Amino acid sequence: DTGVSQDPRHKITKRGQNVTFRCDPISEHNRLYWYRQTLGQGPEFLTYFQNEAQLEKSRLLSDRFSAERPKGSFSTLEIQHTEQGDSAMYLCASSLSVGTGAYNEQFFGPGTRLTVL
Amino acid sequence: SQQGEEDPQALSIQEGENATMNCSYKTSINNLQWYRQNSGRGLVHLILIRSNEREKHSGRLRVTLDTSKKSSSLLITASRAADTASYFCATVGTQGGSEKLVFGKGMKLTVNP
Repeated sequence: DTGVSQDPRHKITKRGQNVTFRCDPISEHNRLYWYRQTLGQGPEFLTYFQNEAQLEKSRLLSDRFSAERPKGSFSTLEIQHTEQGDSAMYLCASSLSVGTGAYNEQFFGPGTRLTVL
Repeated sequence: SQQGEEDPQALSIQEGENATMNCSYKTSINNLQWYRQNSGRGLVHLILIRSNEREKHSGRLRVTLDTSKKSSSLLITASRAADTASYFCATVGTQGGSEKLVFGKGMKLTVNP
């Protein structure tokens, strides 16, 4: 399967613990996005990378959240000192931007469902 | 914050009937897209309509866009039980180069066999 993959698919943790999620984009895609989706809501943008550079972060991304894409391929999203309000589905998407001005479709992974007890 | 808002929030129809969902948004857009999400297959892209387009078709899907009213509609014709899912509209704004998607809250469609 050459789509976007995320690991783990489910994570249950206790309040105060740190968690890290991984996203593997489609191999040639240079853009990678993180979104968060809470129950009954649509996904909300968190941050995005162009290659290894993190170019935009949402106000939703508090200091407890950090994302990296060290080699411009896979990305990790870490949440420190988790809170119950962090419980959500964390979605990753990737796209190939070739700079022509045309919109570049994002392809989504299956998500990581986080439950903070 | 979410920009789009789908209407109705839930819709239940019989197989074979048409389903229409509406989406309103707030700011200028580059394009508007519709996605489907169910527990089995995640978020799936359905169709994209650019800001200079008014109508687009793809199979059983028909999307319209009215930029003067900042609204869009998605019509699914001859619905099937497999169309049961949540549907989201998402916009890409004209500011910045991220192409980030701004989603609505979604609408739950149930197609009864």
